[in-house]
Amino acid sequence: QKEVEQNSGPLSVPEGAIASLNCTYSDRVSQSFFWYRQYSGKSPELIMSIYSNGDKEDGRFTAQLNKASQYVSLLIRDSQPSDSATYLCAVNIHSNQAGTALIFGKGTTLSVSS
Amino acid sequence: EAGVTQFPSHSVIEKGQTVTLRCDPISGHDNLYWYRRVMGKEIKFLLHFVKESKQDESGMPNNRFLAERTGGTYSTLKVQPAELEDSGVYFCASSQVGQGNSEQFFGPGTRLTVL
Repeated sequence: QKEVEQNSGPLSVPEGAIASLNCTYSDRVSQSFFWYRQYSGKSPELIMSIYSNGDKEDGRFTAQLNKASQYVSLLIRDSQPSDSATYLCAVNIHSNQAGTALIFGKGTTLSVSS
Repeated sequence: EAGVTQFPSHSVIEKGQTVTLRCDPISGHDNLYWYRRVMGKEIKFLLHFVKESKQDESGMPNNRFLAERTGGTYSTLKVQPAELEDSGVYFCASSQVGQGNSEQFFGPGTRLTVL
């Protein structure tokens, strides 16, 4: 059974702090990793994708991938109250195929206090 | 560019009735996916179309669920007859074909309640 694990939280950080969200996955052949943000009652919104080991930065967001440890993380710098949401980690099921289904974690709820 | 759209946004039906959900993907996206989130659980994959062909339907829970994508544009997901455990939010997502790591964009979802 292929799984994606996340700490459900809530993770509470003060405004301006760094929020660190973590995710582990069980399928060693997974090649694509995504972070989605979901506000209550809304659809998942893609915020980061990462495919290679190391860091990928986009604005205040940094995704980190370590395939040897089967671990992917998301750092949010200068956290804002508007970042308060559930963050979903998603991993593709099959590798090296165009268009593949995703396995999702249950999500980590982030709360940023002003 | 319009995003993924889904209809209806909410549906409340009684056990044993039939419901049909519709998804319109982003224009030009040949990949179309259906996912479902049951309360308290993670989002789970149901099936994947490439154009009008079913590429992977391994996540479909049983034969009460029927998905179609005639013409390779919009897709429908029919539940017949609906059971209580079918309640949840049904999401549709689409992506482009051509890269192994294609990003999927989600629609707003249809919240289905079976009473």
